[in-house]
Amino acid sequence: GQNIDQPTEMTATEGAIVQINCTYQTSGFNGLFWYQQHAGEAPTFLSYNVLDGLEEKGRFSSFLSRSKGYSYLLLKELQMKDSASYLCAVSSQTGANNLFFGTGTRLTVIP
Amino acid sequence: DTAVSQTPKYLVTQMGNDKSIKCEQNLGHDTMYWYKQDSKKFLKIMFSYNNKELIINETVPNRFSPKSPDKAHLNLHINSLELGDSAVYFCASSRQGPNYGYTFGSGTRLTVV
Repeated sequence: GQNIDQPTEMTATEGAIVQINCTYQTSGFNGLFWYQQHAGEAPTFLSYNVLDGLEEKGRFSSFLSRSKGYSYLLLKELQMKDSASYLCAVSSQTGANNLFFGTGTRLTVIP
Repeated sequence: DTAVSQTPKYLVTQMGNDKSIKCEQNLGHDTMYWYKQDSKKFLKIMFSYNNKELIINETVPNRFSPKSPDKAHLNLHINSLELGDSAVYFCASSRQGPNYGYTFGSGTRLTVV
């Protein structure tokens, strides 16, 4: 089975940097995704990591360590619109192309 | 030109009824999915379909059944609705292969009263 853990809630200040951690246990690891979900909306794709290391995409970066079963999403220069839930999801070979989601981290950006 | 569209967006119905939620994608993706998001915002996969073949069914009651008339559609049928079925249901699609992200529909908020 899959086990994915993230903090439930985080608060950060506008303009600051925040790191959202995710730890996972899964069989047949096939990559890790981060999604953003604003309240009442659909999740939208942010990043994908399958190899160890850091992937940078604008203000957002995602890191993966497969040996530690660990990932983080780094958000820089926080903006108010970044207030949302951030979902860590693991792709597992046991179910072809299926994503298994963590419970999500609700980030609140304050002025 | 919506990529993944679901209808209806809101659905309120009584216990015991049978209802359907429709999903269509115009992305040419190979695989479609249904996810359930409960009140705690936990997204749990229910079904995935690849070329009309059911790939996975995660401990979902048999009152739920996916129907795929073609590659671009995956509808969700629910029989004998129960209070615990109240949730937001998301349809999604992706290309074949593990490194392709999912594109989600806007969700259907189902409320059973």
